[in-house]
Amino acid sequence: QLQLLESGPTVVRPSETLYLTCSLSGGSIRRNYWGWVRRPPGKGLEWIGYRFNSGDGKGNPSLANRVSISLDTSKNQFSLSLYSVTTADTAFYYCAALDAGYYVTWGRGITVTVSS
Amino acid sequence: QSVLTQSPSVSGAPGQRVIISCTGGSSNMGADYSVHWYQQLPGGAPRLLIYNNNIRASGVPDRFSASKSGTAASLDITGLQPEDEADYYCQSYDIEVSGSVFGGGTKVTVL
Repeated sequence: QLQLLESGPTVVRPSETLYLTCSLSGGSIRRNYWGWVRRPPGKGLEWIGYRFNSGDGKGNPSLANRVSISLDTSKNQFSLSLYSVTTADTAFYYCAALDAGYYVTWGRGITVTVSS
Repeated sequence: QSVLTQSPSVSGAPGQRVIISCTGGSSNMGADYSVHWYQQLPGGAPRLLIYNNNIRASGVPDRFSASKSGTAASLDITGLQPEDEADYYCQSYDIEVSGSVFGGGTKVTVL
């Protein structure tokens, strides 16, 4: 059964790049497509972006082209880069596997705080 | 402001029925895109509950059901259980953002 696990720094300074990795077990990065969702404190879920295993990807326009998602087939993992972060990017971040538009499997999540 | 609109909270006693509504627009649910539902227990990650409007995900009890009509969708929980206390989110695809949109979430409280 596919399992996902997020990793990365839990504190990022303003204007720097948030970089998170999602590691897969029990499944291959070559199948499905892969995405990131976040939940800011006191708010609901927000789509960040996704990447197809074909290489195409899409980020949420509200994040103003600050999102990049990459796949590493050799390590069976995918990553999120969120550039020029501000305190508004403080949130719980989840990686997920998608299938036909819905999020089938989720990681347990990782909390990221943007603070100097 | 979420693209999909959900009521912030709903409550019920054990055994009762609660209905969670989700309202979209012409660029998502009204464009015939499916609605999906997720449950997020306190301190936990979201979990797929219902996909493609009305199909229960693996392991989801049959007390959960959902439907969609036009720009409106609903999640129905019958025989409410204490373990159903959670946040519930609807999600669809939106052609204006070319990606996923979520509702703001509905907190279900079991009295």
